[in-house]
Amino acid sequence: GENVEQHPSTLSVQEGDSAVIKCTYSDSASNYFPWYKQELGKRPQLIIDIRSNVGEKKDQRIAVTLNKTAKHFSLHITETQPEDSAVYFCAANKGNDMRFGAGTRLTVKP
Amino acid sequence: ETGVTQTPRHLVMGMTNKKSLKCEQHLGHNAMYWYKQSAKKPLELMFVYNFKEQTENNSVPSRFSPECPNSSHLFLHLHTLQPEDSALYLCASSQERGPGELFFGEGSRLTVL
Repeated sequence: GENVEQHPSTLSVQEGDSAVIKCTYSDSASNYFPWYKQELGKRPQLIIDIRSNVGEKKDQRIAVTLNKTAKHFSLHITETQPEDSAVYFCAANKGNDMRFGAGTRLTVKP
Repeated sequence: ETGVTQTPRHLVMGMTNKKSLKCEQHLGHNAMYWYKQSAKKPLELMFVYNFKEQTENNSVPSRFSPECPNSSHLFLHLHTLQPEDSALYLCASSQERGPGELFFGEGSRLTVL
């Protein structure tokens, strides 16, 4: 089955800096890659996703890149703000099988 | 009414108790899921229902028993749990099974004494 590795497990940045979270997956047939944000005590919510026919997708301060050859994808957050502090989860989906990474706790220091 | 609602939000139970978690979605979705969230671990898929039919059971112990009476409601019945079952249990729904956005509830925090 699919195996998703996520790094780093914790990340601390200064407000205004950029943050990058990376994930690798094992099954080359995976074709859908969402990112979820979970604030403390809240539900996970989708913030951006990308499908395998696209290499990059951007939505305001967040972007996701996908390298199918290397089987890795990354979340980029620019101009970070304290409200970006949360746990971020990547996932890889093949057919009906969605596997999540273990999460990255991002702290943005004011 | 918010999209996916879970009750109770917190539950403490002994190992011999029987309790149930409830999930309700108001999004008109056809697929519903139970996930287990433990600290520093990936979200673990437990059960999937698609159009009220259970389509997946990820080797979950029989002390967890799901029930889906209709496409809007999902239950997780708990009995004779172990302390290691303490976790956040998240319900989610999606339009259909397959690649696409999952809409999560806020979870039920379970503590087994």
